[in-house]
Amino acid sequence: DAGVIQSPRHEVTEMGQEVTLRCKPISGHNSLFWYRQTMMRGLELLIYFNNNVPIDDSGMPEDRFSAKMPNASFSTLKIQPSEPRDSAVYFCASREWGGGETQYFGPGTRLLVL
Amino acid sequence: RKEVEQDPGPFNVPEGATVAFNCTYSNSASQSFFWYRQDCRKEPKLLMSVYSSGNEDGRFTAQLNRASQYISLLIRDSKLSDSATYLCVVIQVNRGRAQKLVFGQGTRLTINP
Repeated sequence: DAGVIQSPRHEVTEMGQEVTLRCKPISGHNSLFWYRQTMMRGLELLIYFNNNVPIDDSGMPEDRFSAKMPNASFSTLKIQPSEPRDSAVYFCASREWGGGETQYFGPGTRLLVL
Repeated sequence: RKEVEQDPGPFNVPEGATVAFNCTYSNSASQSFFWYRQDCRKEPKLLMSVYSSGNEDGRFTAQLNRASQYISLLIRDSKLSDSATYLCVVIQVNRGRAQKLVFGQGTRLTINP
């Protein structure tokens, strides 16, 4: 299995631009999580989906952030407009619902907003 | 107060030493507990679950004290490859909804030759 796939791995953009991060969960996993990691705040859960439905988005920092999961094999996290304080590593993780509590993380997207 | 608190370290210990990390959590309704490991510029990976009875996996021992809301990780005979950041993770149920993982800030460990 290829594991959780994220793209791009690195993104550098200018303030005000739209950023779209992509995630492909492990096949057969039906829970998907988006996290953000910074030195100051550590690893924070932004939103998670069960069976493509958003369950808890209380961690989404503000309206500039949105996430979608149109099908079981794809999710996006969008930031529009981006700001320098959004610079972080964004991880996607997936889990097999009912198959234990272990989450498998993707390699992350390193985002730098100038 | 943070939901999950850890000593950020860094811990610098010689190879072969025993090192222990602690973690406290604030939500007494927390259900499950884990230690994850994160290598530099890599993603977190599950190290081990933490059970009330305590559990051991080779050189690693995890303990849970629900009364004190305290979790620990002990590494014996530390190896250079143990150098990483160790994340304490707690699963919470929010208002009867599905679970979410809450991560501590992590404790950075460096094993010196």
